[in-house]
Amino acid sequence: EAQVTQNPRYLITVTGKKLTVTCSQNMNHEYMSWYRQDPGLGLRQIYYSMNVEVTDKGDVPEGYKVSRKEKRNFPLILESPSPNQTSLYFCASSSRVAGPTDTQYFGPGTRLTVL
Amino acid sequence: GQNIDQPTEMTATEGAIVQINCTYQTSGFNGLFWYQQHAGEAPTFLSYNVLDGLEEKGRFSSFLSRSKGYSYLLLKELQMKDSASYLCAPRGSYQLTFGKGTKLSVIP
Repeated sequence: EAQVTQNPRYLITVTGKKLTVTCSQNMNHEYMSWYRQDPGLGLRQIYYSMNVEVTDKGDVPEGYKVSRKEKRNFPLILESPSPNQTSLYFCASSSRVAGPTDTQYFGPGTRLTVL
Repeated sequence: GQNIDQPTEMTATEGAIVQINCTYQTSGFNGLFWYQQHAGEAPTFLSYNVLDGLEEKGRFSSFLSRSKGYSYLLLKELQMKDSASYLCAPRGSYQLTFGKGTKLSVIP
């Protein structure tokens, strides 16, 4: 089954404790991205990746890191989480960025709470 | 950059028709997506328009006017399960930027 998976689905942590949210897709997609969603602000892009070893900042990259060592995986790293990073996070992938069939497929979401 | 405007909330009656509007200002416009998102769940794809005009897909239709920076999503024969947020997302050269979404409540 074609899908995007994220782990963990729920996480409660404390300020400053490094964490990684994993994202994996099995569709051989080139393009992957991370979003956060907050009430009243909608979905905002954190980072995106056009392909392996190619990443770029989205609209709200501060406090986050990403890596793309393999095509299928795109982990989101919070080196020193802070309470303002409490949010619902979505990973998404698509086959190409600028093509007629590049619908983005979203993972199920990770609800992160930083105390 | 992107500037996207859509109504925050709408209410409609079961069986009726509702139109959700979206206006946008974007650089490097490369098509527009509509997504549906139920509370606490991931967005799911509804439609994609790259050319002007109407795209129909069952009960859902989407319209685009590139010159006016305007799109709408039309939902017909509303069902209770259509209660969700609807996200307008114009695409630039490398990014997809989402509007804040329109929360649609369908009432009996």
